Amino acid sequence: NAGVTQTPKFRVLKTGQSMTLLCAQDMNHEYMYWYRQDPGMGLRLIHYSVGEGTTAKGEVPDGYNVSRLKKQNFLLGLESAAPSQTSVYFCASGLETQYFGPGTRLLVL
Amino acid sequence: QQPVQSPQAVILREGEDAVINCSSSKALYSVHWYRQKHGEAPVFLMILLKGGEQKGHEKISASFNEKKQQSSLYLTASQLSYSGTYFCGTESGGATNKLIFGTGTLLAVQP
Repeated sequence: NAGVTQTPKFRVLKTGQSMTLLCAQDMNHEYMYWYRQDPGMGLRLIHYSVGEGTTAKGEVPDGYNVSRLKKQNFLLGLESAAPSQTSVYFCASGLETQYFGPGTRLLVL
Repeated sequence: QQPVQSPQAVILREGEDAVINCSSSKALYSVHWYRQKHGEAPVFLMILLKGGEQKGHEKISASFNEKKQQSSLYLTASQLSYSGTYFCGTESGGATNKLIFGTGTLLAVQP
């Protein structure tokens, strides 16, 4: 039982490049979330999903897109990366208790 | 809007007590508490629901004042393992468990 996993763990991008972050959970949770964490800002919700095939915007959705084609996977895409998207990205799943993945550190130059 | 946490940071000796507060400007359905150690993912501690139900950690307690839209986390007889950043997450209703997190309280427990 791996819980919530994220790939990659670390990535460096140049401004304008695109990438996809993958989140996978093996707990059969309906609800999944993407957060970003910046120093002094806490965790901010980017997008979330309440079930396969559904997605919704969180607090800071601009510049990101998501897809939930399979229940166990939640993908976060950056179409054209900007330095302001340098952050640590956490995926989580669950309802009353959110189980977080280990995070992806993204540096945009 | 983000809930406000206080204090921003606190340093304790082992065995001392601490209280971390979380205050929101919106009516709340529930308050969730998480702890994050440096370089790690946040870990769930406790949930407090409107109406008084509380679920979570054995050694850490919390309160939820619905009228004041405030919650407090009580750490008694602190241990070194309590060190980390504590976040409250507030939910204002709906079935999405969409949490708005505070900016965190850094707790350092020293021997």
